[in-house]
Amino acid sequence: KAGVTQTPRYLIKTRGQQVTLSCSPISGHRSVSWYQQTPGQGLQFLFEYFSETQRNKGNFPGRFSGRQFSNSRSEMNVSTLELGDSALYLCASSLVFQETQYFGPGTRLLVL
Amino acid sequence: QQPVQSPQAVILREGEDAVINCSSSKALYSVHWYRQKHGEAPVFLMILLKGGEQKGHEKISASFNEKKQQSSLYLTASQLSYSGTYFCGTKDSWGKLQFGAGTQVVVTP
Repeated sequence: KAGVTQTPRYLIKTRGQQVTLSCSPISGHRSVSWYQQTPGQGLQFLFEYFSETQRNKGNFPGRFSGRQFSNSRSEMNVSTLELGDSALYLCASSLVFQETQYFGPGTRLLVL
Repeated sequence: QQPVQSPQAVILREGEDAVINCSSSKALYSVHWYRQKHGEAPVFLMILLKGGEQKGHEKISASFNEKKQQSSLYLTASQLSYSGTYFCGTKDSWGKLQFGAGTQVVVTP
């Protein structure tokens, strides 16, 4: 079974721009979560989607948004990028009512 | 609210033991442990649910004390392959999984 895939793997943007990251979960997984990882901060929860609905949301500003499509693929969008948004963005998928999350390789975003 | 992990880092020699602690100020439904090697995605190790159970993965085991809202991960007879950053994640009744800042483990020959 193919794992979680994320595209693109690397991205360089400038302040003020916006960015869209994509995540394809493991086949059959309908729950997708997004995390921001920065040195010293660990994994910060962004949001979780299930069946195209946002189930949980972390403490991030409204510039961070996401959505999930009917095929369970998910996208997250960050508008008006700031330098502090530079991070590794990880997506994880899981089966319904199962706890184990499977992480993708991440998208490394650098904001200049 | 993020759980608090301690220590931040630990250096071990092969064969030595270590304990990583994870505590939360909130009532917990479950505790999740993941390991991330440099440049790789976090990999699931184990989940502990309410009930104070213990689990094991290779020579890595964990306990969950729900009264104290604490979990501990035990690395026994460490191997070089145990090197990495260990994250604990806690889930409350709302279902939001929050991770700690991580504990970096370095196992030397």
